[in-house]
Amino acid sequence: RKEVEQDPGPFNVPEGATVAFNCTYSNSASQSFFWYRQDCRKEPKLLMSVYSSGNEDGRFTAQLNRASQYISLLIRDSKLSDSATYLCVVNRRDSGYALNFGKGTSLLVTP
Amino acid sequence: DTGVSQNPRHKITKRGQNVTFRCDPISEHNRLYWYRQTLGQGPEFLTYFQNEAQLEKSRLLSDRFSAERPKGSFSTLEIQRTEQGDSAMYLCASSLRGTGRYNEQFFGPGTRLTVL
Repeated sequence: RKEVEQDPGPFNVPEGATVAFNCTYSNSASQSFFWYRQDCRKEPKLLMSVYSSGNEDGRFTAQLNRASQYISLLIRDSKLSDSATYLCVVNRRDSGYALNFGKGTSLLVTP
Repeated sequence: DTGVSQNPRHKITKRGQNVTFRCDPISEHNRLYWYRQTLGQGPEFLTYFQNEAQLEKSRLLSDRFSAERPKGSFSTLEIQRTEQGDSAMYLCASSLRGTGRYNEQFFGPGTRLTVL
């Protein structure tokens, strides 16, 4: 079983829609949590860190539930430019600083 | 450009050949990481340096793989006797110690390796 599980999608949504991605992680020692965005054949780029209290950055909201070992990302008012793969990422306390990535969830926003 | 750079961007080689990739991290970052990504998968951790010390290696890093960061700045990843299964995108990332527990890593554009 992979340490970070995501629904691979694809999620096809119209412009302006709200879309939510979920992610679960298996190692309770996980310490830090992130969402990265990856465009086709490009490197992953940090979208946002996920804080225990939840956090928002413009149209993006991230939530963390440590008890359920669950992370979410909500995108409001989707734009065509949001089309990408969204990677759920955790950092294990017992592994130094290596990041564990999920497979990613593919999002396609259509006109 | 002050981001992470990697060279070459693409490498095609024949099975059995050795290849070497280079990563130049963001200049003030003292932590450097190598990851491998295959199609349809997220990046998988290979190894990690803090300054010149290699502090962690994944089980994915077989004996054919070796990484160095001799002066605590750039790093090289060498694959000996390449196999077709080594075909992947090799990503380098760097981070700055002291950014707290969030350990935000910044990735380079990657080296895409194709083994024929």
